Amino acid sequence: GDSVTQMEGPVTLSEEACLTINCTYTATGYPSLFWYVQYPGEGLQLLLKATKADDKGSNKGFEATYRKETTSFHLEKGSVQVSDSAVYFCALEGGGGNKLTFGTGTQLKVEL
Amino acid sequence: NAGVTQTPKFQVLKTGQSMTLQCAQDMNHNSMYWYRQDPGMGLRLIYYSASEGTTDKGEVPNGYNVSRLNKREFSLRLESAAPSQTSVYFCASSSESEQYFGPGTRLTVT
Repeated sequence: GDSVTQMEGPVTLSEEACLTINCTYTATGYPSLFWYVQYPGEGLQLLLKATKADDKGSNKGFEATYRKETTSFHLEKGSVQVSDSAVYFCALEGGGGNKLTFGTGTQLKVEL
Repeated sequence: NAGVTQTPKFQVLKTGQSMTLQCAQDMNHNSMYWYRQDPGMGLRLIYYSASEGTTDKGEVPNGYNVSRLNKREFSLRLESAAPSQTSVYFCASSSESEQYFGPGTRLTVT
């Protein structure tokens, strides 16, 4: 079945540091890929998405590129802020019905 | 625009008690979902409803039942709660391209 593997956290960075959170997937066919963000005490919000190979999703300074050859969708940001502290989930939609398969989440802590 | 709302926000149950978690969306979405979130396991799909009148099992349906009351509302019922059902429960609805999540219900079963 479909699965998503993402790096374990927590990841602790200083403000303005570069961020990469790795995500790889296993799926049949050509899934759509997503990054969701969960701020403390809240539900998940869509951060960015890509629907086909080589697409780049971007939002709020975050980027991720759909790499079919490496089955990856790594999340990157050039300069993180304290306000980026949250849990980040990689997910794929592949089986129809808009059902998502999530990774386990990566907690990011950004310190001054 | 309220989006996806869930009630209650918090609940404590004793083993064997029953309860229903309520979810409603005002975005006219056809599809709705119930997930549970546990530490180190991400979100796992319990049940989903692709349209009014239909429901299907997800990855972890045992111990739960659902009702798609109408297009807006999708409830999750625990008939006999167990400590293993201690979790945070999220409801979501989706357009074709995105799922929208409610704020969650934190349930503790003692």
